[in-house]
Amino acid sequence: AQKITQTQPGMFVQEKEAVTLDCTYDTSDQSYGLFWYKQPSSGEMIFLIYQGSYDEQNATEGRYSLNFQKARKSANLVISASQLGDSAMYFCAMGLSNFGNEKLTFGTGTRLTIIP
Amino acid sequence: NAGVTQTPKFRILKIGQSMTLQCAQDMNHNYMYWYRQDPGMGLKLIYYSVGAGITDKGEVPNGYNVSRSTTEDFPLRLELAAPSQTSVYFCASSYDRFGTFETQYFGPGTRLLVL
Repeated sequence: AQKITQTQPGMFVQEKEAVTLDCTYDTSDQSYGLFWYKQPSSGEMIFLIYQGSYDEQNATEGRYSLNFQKARKSANLVISASQLGDSAMYFCAMGLSNFGNEKLTFGTGTRLTIIP
Repeated sequence: NAGVTQTPKFRILKIGQSMTLQCAQDMNHNYMYWYRQDPGMGLKLIYYSVGAGITDKGEVPNGYNVSRSTTEDFPLRLELAAPSQTSVYFCASSYDRFGTFETQYFGPGTRLLVL
């Protein structure tokens, strides 16, 4: 069975510093996708970044990058130059299926607080 | 382009009551999903649909029903509300492209309280 583990319930980071949010996954499938979502206090889920299991390069989207280590089954999110607006819950998720990601499994999330 | 919309935003139900959570998307996405998020937890898949007329169970389907008569709409039905169904409900949608994983786009959520 697939599983996503986020071991950091909460993190405090000084503004402008970089931060790494940990995510490990467990699956026996060879084809899967890894996603990170941000959930601010307003509650909506905002897509940040995606990494496919066959992608050879780490995904990047602006200040977000995904440190994908396939052998270790980890997909850590790195946020560079953190900002106060980055304070939110962050969820790692995994999709399994070649026909879409209907089997999206979420971790329990990490609450990130940026300190001025 | 409104994206994924959900109504209502908040609802209080009494035990045993029924209600329908509405979800609509205007992005012509084939795939639609319903998740619930309990306090301090990640999202869990309730039901999903790969197209009009086709639905399937997710991880936590008990106590819910869905239908998909059009591409745009995917309502979630609670027949006999129980306190355990107190949660925030998210609807999401995505494209269907063979061999790739498409991003799911989420609605703003419906907060449901069952008393």
